[in-house]
Formats: sequence, structure tokens, C-alpha cells
Amino acid sequence: DAGVTQSPTHLIKTRGQHVTLRCSPISGHKSVSWYQQVLGQGPQFIFQYYEKEERGRGNFPDRFSARQFPNYSSELNVNALLLGDSALYLCASSRRVGGEKLFFGSGTQLSVL
Amino acid sequence: KQEVTQIPAALSVPEGENLVLNCSFTDSAIYNLQWFRQDPGKGLTSLLLIQSSQREQTSGRLNASLDKSSGRSTLYIAASQPGDSATYLCAVTETSGSRLTFGEGTQLTVNP
Repeated sequence: DAGVTQSPTHLIKTRGQHVTLRCSPISGHKSVSWYQQVLGQGPQFIFQYYEKEERGRGNFPDRFSARQFPNYSSELNVNALLLGDSALYLCASSRRVGGEKLFFGSGTQLSVL
Repeated sequence: KQEVTQIPAALSVPEGENLVLNCSFTDSAIYNLQWFRQDPGKGLTSLLLIQSSQREQTSGRLNASLDKSSGRSTLYIAASQPGDSATYLCAVTETSGSRLTFGEGTQLTVNP
């Protein structure tokens, strides 16, 4: 079975632009979470979706938004990019919510110039 | 607010040595604790998951323990190998949901 897949793997944007990151969960997994990892730090929670509904949101500005589709894939959108948004964006999937083991994708490396 | 701390931040050992990585968390009301491995620029691989009711979990050369009351966990790696070189991250899931709170990781280098 395929693992969690994320696209693109690398992305370069300039300040003020918009970006969309995509994630496909493991087959049978209905929950998708997004994390931001700045170089040298641990990942920070951004969003969790389950059955297309938002189940949790971290301490990120409204420039960050996400959604989950009927096939359980997900998109993370970031508007008005700032230099500080440069990071590795990780997607994780699980069967359900509530302390399930998470499986992570390889991430999207976003560079904002 | 839950805070997770990992000590040491970096560790360099010769091949074959047994080693211990430490993780502490401030709020003991956790659902479970996970240890992850991360290679440079890559995603996270789950190594061990310990439920709050458990004391330890083992997988091959890895053993993780959990002392929930004191807010501590350790990851023990036996007979380390150069292929173990990576960053090891500890994360807790709080009882309110599935979000993970991560430490900043321990960067391990095993020298041949």
C-alpha cells in the first residue's frame, strides 16, 4: 500500500504570493493533519480534518486554511506569504481521531524569497 | 499549555554504544507518547507509541519507557549503528484530541 503522498516536494515562492499544498492519505485513513516544521525545530500543529470536518486548529493566522475532500485527500492553502512561512510542511494521516498512530508523508519544502 | 523538552539536543557516539535519549513534558494528562525518527529534509517515521496506561514498548533494538506521573520518557537504543544517525523526536497526544506536541529533537550521530 502507498504511504502518505505530498505534492509538490519543493516549492519556491515570493512574498505576498499564495500557495496550495496537497496530501493524499493512506488508503482507509479518514483523518489528515498538517504540521509546519521550521529548520531546527519540532513540527507545530496547524490543522486536523476528519470526515471533511475541521477537528482542530493550531495557533496560526487566518492566512492559513485547509480543506478535506470526499476522497479524504486534503489541501493546505497559505495566502500572502511571508518570509517566516519558509518551512517543511508535513501531512499525516490516521484511521480516526483520538490518539491514533500517525503516518507522515515526506513533506513539502516551501521557500519564500 | 503543554511543553515538551528533549535532552540532549545533539549526541555523538561511537558505533556499538548503548545510548539513552530523554524527553520530558509539563502536563501529565496525555493520551499517549510517540517517538519518531527524522532523516535530514525528510518526513517522520514512527518508531514506538506508548499508551498512557503502559510503561514501555520495545521494537528490535529500541525500547521506550514512560513515567506519566513524573512527565518523562526515555528512548533506549542498544548497540548503535551508523544507520541510526538521524534526529529523534518525542511527541505527546493530549487527551482532548489527536494533535501532537513535539519536542525539538535530539540529533544523533553514530560514528563508524
